[in-house]
Amino acid sequence: AQTVTQSQPEMSVQEAETVTLSCTYDTSESDYYLFWYKQPPSRQMILVIRQEAYKQQNATENRFSVNFQKAAKSFSLKISDSQLGDAAMYFCAYRRGNDMRFGAGTRLTVKP
Amino acid sequence: EAQVTQNPRYLITVTGKKLTVTCSQNMNHEYMSWYRQDPGLGLRQIYYSMNVEVTDKGDVPEGYKVSRKEKRNFPLILESPSPNQTSLYFCASCNQQGPITGELFFGEGSRLTVL
Repeated sequence: AQTVTQSQPEMSVQEAETVTLSCTYDTSESDYYLFWYKQPPSRQMILVIRQEAYKQQNATENRFSVNFQKAAKSFSLKISDSQLGDAAMYFCAYRRGNDMRFGAGTRLTVKP
Repeated sequence: EAQVTQNPRYLITVTGKKLTVTCSQNMNHEYMSWYRQDPGLGLRQIYYSMNVEVTDKGDVPEGYKVSRKEKRNFPLILESPSPNQTSLYFCASCNQQGPITGELFFGEGSRLTVL
C-alpha cells in the first residue's frame, strides 16, 4: 500500500523567513497527484498546492512552492516570507484514483 | 457557493447510541469519501463512493456504514458507536469527469466524542 511520511511532527519559523516541510511517499505507480493541505485552528482543510506527477516543473503558488523529486519520491513544501497566518498543521497527500493517502502532519509555528 | 456541508459539527454521545453524520455537496461531484483524523495518524479513509449506489471500503471501515442514494448526499452511519470512534471526521468530494484536477474538497469537519 502506498504510504506518505512526514518526518517533522513540528517546525517553527521566524516571521518573514523561509521554511521547508518534508514529505516522502512510497508508490510503484508513475501517474498520480501530490498535494499539500493546510489545516488552521478552524480545522478546515485548505488546498495549498498541487503537483501532477507527469509534470517535471515544480508547482508554485505565490509564496508556496514545492521541490518534487519523482525518482526520490520526495515532495517538500517551501514557504517563503512566512506570515503569522501560515501557522497551521500541514498535511502532505498522495492520490491515484480512489486511493488517497495522507501523512501524519507537520505543525508549523510562526514566531513574530 | 461551492461547498461540502457536514452536520453536526460537534456531537457528544454515549456508547451504543446510533448516530448519523450527514454530508452534502453542491458541486455535482461523482466521488465522495469519509475520513477520520486522529493525532499522529493524519487522515484515514473510512469509505468512498464513485457514484450513486456505488460504495467501497477504505482503510478503516469497521464500525461504520455509508449509503449513496443521491449524488449530492453521502451520510456516515455509526450503528453502535464505541469510544475508539471518538475522532474528527471529514467528508470530501471530487470531480471525476471533465477537467480532473485530483483535488478533494473538504467539509468543515465533525468532532465526535463517544463516552
